[in-house]
Amino acid sequence: AQSVTQLDSQVPVFEEAPVELRCNYSSSVSVYLFWYVQYPNQGLQLLLKYLSGSTLVKGINGFEAEFNKSQTSFHLRKPSVHISDTAEYFCAVTLNTGFQKLVFGTGTRLLVSP
Amino acid sequence: GAVVSQHPSWVICKSGTSVKIECRSLDFQATTMFWYRQFPKQSLMLMATSNEGSKATYEQGVEKDKFLINHASLTLSTLTVTSAHPEDSSFYICSVDRGDQPQHFGDGTRLSIL
Repeated sequence: AQSVTQLDSQVPVFEEAPVELRCNYSSSVSVYLFWYVQYPNQGLQLLLKYLSGSTLVKGINGFEAEFNKSQTSFHLRKPSVHISDTAEYFCAVTLNTGFQKLVFGTGTRLLVSP
Repeated sequence: GAVVSQHPSWVICKSGTSVKIECRSLDFQATTMFWYRQFPKQSLMLMATSNEGSKATYEQGVEKDKFLINHASLTLSTLTVTSAHPEDSSFYICSVDRGDQPQHFGDGTRLSIL
């Protein structure tokens, strides 16, 4: 079975600073990886996904993530954050046979302050 | 605009009543939808897979008589929390299986049982 670990429950950062949100996964087979963002009292919005090919994936809102198979990681990065990036971020994994059985990490709350 | 509509967004009701939550796929004929539950500051846990025209598939530990799912058309799945109690208070989110694309999520329903 697949699992996802997000070690940082909360990441405080100042506006315009860079940020990295960490995600490690566990799986014995090939997977798809995702980052979702959740704003308060809302559902999840897909930021980016890794399916295959280039290990550096670019998403919406200036975010990017790098798939590292040897370290089983898929860390999310943004070079300069905005106040509006304050939200909960979830890393998720599924088998590379489809998009059905999503397994989510416990989430990282990004707090951007002026 | 939103492609998955969830209604209501917030509901408060007395203990012992039943509550119905609707999930509509606005731009896709969805044979499969998913229902998730999210406790405060926690991740999403898959409750069940909703299958159009057939019975839902429930995850281990989810009471199927407590959480009734109906998927009578390709655009609508409903989750009914029967005889709700305070411990059922949570954030419920649906998503649509779009086949060869990642799931699209609704905005969620916050259920508060008094």
